[in-house]
Amino acid sequence: VQLVESGGALVQPGGSLRLSCAASGFTFSNYWMSWVRQSPGKGLEWVANIKQDGREKYYVDSEKGRFTISRDNAKNSLDLQMNSLRAEDTAVYYCARGRDTYGFILDYWGQGTLVTVSS
Amino acid sequence: DIVMTQSPDSLAVSLGERATINCKSSQSVLHSSNNKNFLTWYQQKPGQPPKLLIYWASTRESGVPDRFSGSGSGTDFTLTISSLQAEDVAVYYCQQYYITPHTFGQGTKLEIK
Repeated sequence: VQLVESGGALVQPGGSLRLSCAASGFTFSNYWMSWVRQSPGKGLEWVANIKQDGREKYYVDSEKGRFTISRDNAKNSLDLQMNSLRAEDTAVYYCARGRDTYGFILDYWGQGTLVTVSS
Repeated sequence: DIVMTQSPDSLAVSLGERATINCKSSQSVLHSSNNKNFLTWYQQKPGQPPKLLIYWASTRESGVPDRFSGSGSGTDFTLTISSLQAEDVAVYYCQQYYITPHTFGQGTKLEIK
């Protein structure tokens, strides 16, 4: 199982960014997927998750309307579109896989991609 | 949202001794339909992503040493390391997946005394 995040960058407040996670080593379309972030030196914050077929999505309340999670099962790819970015969105963003037996238990994580929101 | 509160924030334990980390949820994470507690424990070492240790509050993930154990039910949970090894130095997080958002505790930093 391998999860590789990309797309992290330095972006100005109010800007947008799209993160991607390339999955390999498992049948991507069979698993729930999640995004979790970690601000520098801080704890973990669950951001969003998406069901196998993409029809169910859940978000942390503070990001509803600004962040959109999506997936492309044909490309084994998970995305996170982030709009209206704020300084407090600065964090390492991790992509994580849900267990096959219960998709909300995160059994594999990527190394993360750093998003910095600053002018 | 369910608030997860861990204690202590940091902990120093001698090698070979027991380490105990507590996690309290602001509401029960025990689901009556299956009598399972929707709680996980993760270990995060510096510069690494989190690693799943325990799920359903007490089920050890494959490959996790048996010195790690989870217990508790409802709102009060404990992660115990029975005999601390040097490689166990890390930050430990609990997380509830009972309802979204799937909130984490603030983390407990475990060090060697």
